[in-house]
Amino acid sequence: QVQLVESGGDLVKPGGSLRLSCAASGFTFSDYYMAWIRQAPGKGLEWVSYISGSSSNTVYADSVKGRFTISRDNAKNSLSLQMNSLRAEDTAVYYCGREVLGIVDYWGQGTLVTVSS
Amino acid sequence: DIQMTQSPSTLSASVGERVTITCRASQSIGSWLAWYQQKLGQAPKLLIQKASTLESGVPSRFSGRGSGTEFTLTINSLQPGDFATYYCQQYSTFKTFGQGTKVEIK
Repeated sequence: QVQLVESGGDLVKPGGSLRLSCAASGFTFSDYYMAWIRQAPGKGLEWVSYISGSSSNTVYADSVKGRFTISRDNAKNSLSLQMNSLRAEDTAVYYCGREVLGIVDYWGQGTLVTVSS
Repeated sequence: DIQMTQSPSTLSASVGERVTITCRASQSIGSWLAWYQQKLGQAPKLLIQKASTLESGVPSRFSGRGSGTEFTLTINSLQPGDFATYYCQQYSTFKTFGQGTKVEIK
């Protein structure tokens, strides 16, 4: 069965950096686009970034462009999100998702990132 | 950017009722619309894609309609497990979600 397990969420100061990871299993990882979606406390969902199976195509929301970098290691079935220059408004639960033609058909359980001094 | 607007923001209903949630796009998105259900403390779950295609395992009391800029999600005969927040998501240009509709018990 498909499993996605995020890790790396933490409390970080404004301007700091954090790296999130997502371990995937139960499917051929390299065949799928993968995505990061976030949800601020008590708020709605925001698509953050996605990456193609071969890593040749990466796209970011304007809100994180230039600060966040998505990457993947198909040999390790792993997805990452490097987050730099973090701001208070980046505080959210970050979900890893398997993307199929623009939708997420499987989600991880999420990891909480808190940006606060 | 394509904006997605859901209405209502909150909906109070009883078990057995039929409820409808509307999602409007700021420009035409064809049928590139999905619906998700999110229960408290859980990740979202995909219900419908391509505006009206029900995902495997999703009960048939859920249905989606629409194209262009106006879409609806209908739940026939609301069940206790259906009380949750529902999000629409467009995937015509990048991806954006609606702000969500909370379906609560009346």
